[in-house]
Amino acid sequence: EVQLVQSGAEVKKPGESLKISCKGSGYGFNTHWIAWVRQMPGKGLELMGIIYPDDSDTRYTQSFQGQVTISTDKSFDTAYLQWNSLKASDTAMYYCARRGVYSSAPYDYWGQGTLVTVSS
Amino acid sequence: QSVLTQPPSVSAAPGQKVTISCSGSSSNIGNNHVSWYQQIPGTAPKLLIYESNKRPSGIPDRFSGSKSGTSATLGITGLQTGDEADYYCGASDSSLSVLWVFGGGTKVTVL
Repeated sequence: EVQLVQSGAEVKKPGESLKISCKGSGYGFNTHWIAWVRQMPGKGLELMGIIYPDDSDTRYTQSFQGQVTISTDKSFDTAYLQWNSLKASDTAMYYCARRGVYSSAPYDYWGQGTLVTVSS
Repeated sequence: QSVLTQPPSVSAAPGQKVTISCSGSSSNIGNNHVSWYQQIPGTAPKLLIYESNKRPSGIPDRFSGSKSGTSATLGITGLQTGDEADYYCGASDSSLSVLWVFGGGTKVTVL
């Protein structure tokens, strides 16, 4: 069974760092794109960036470039989303999702989400 | 503002039909398949339709998808209270480095 299991909810203060995780199982982790998707309270889905674990090809949507870092550890079939200095505006639910490599591949499996709350 | 345009909301009574449109361009819908996602409040998005009109295992045939040119449509027939959710379209986009774009989402309300 394909699963993406994300790390638990986090409460942080502005300026703190954070790294959340997404562990894949039940499929070839290295040969599927992993995306991180932000959903701010009451808002829609925003694709932040993607990573291809096999060669670590990483791409960011322009508005998230330089604001977060996406990485992967192939030995643990895990992808990460990292902030060096959180802002209150980073408060949101964050989802990881996987996608195959063919052009029409959808995001077919999603993690359960990690709620990040940034408040002083 | 999303690259794929959806109406903010649609509504209908139980048992009725709703359709949700998703409008894009040649770099996304015009040359690629569309997928649709259902997000029930408090839960993660779930794949509903892929390759424009195919349903994953377990998705009832009350849900259907179609595509024409640079637009796509999700249809829900026999509307049920459990269908009340946000629905998002998505498609590959060759103009973006992240290779993908989502629509802004449509809230379906069952009256």
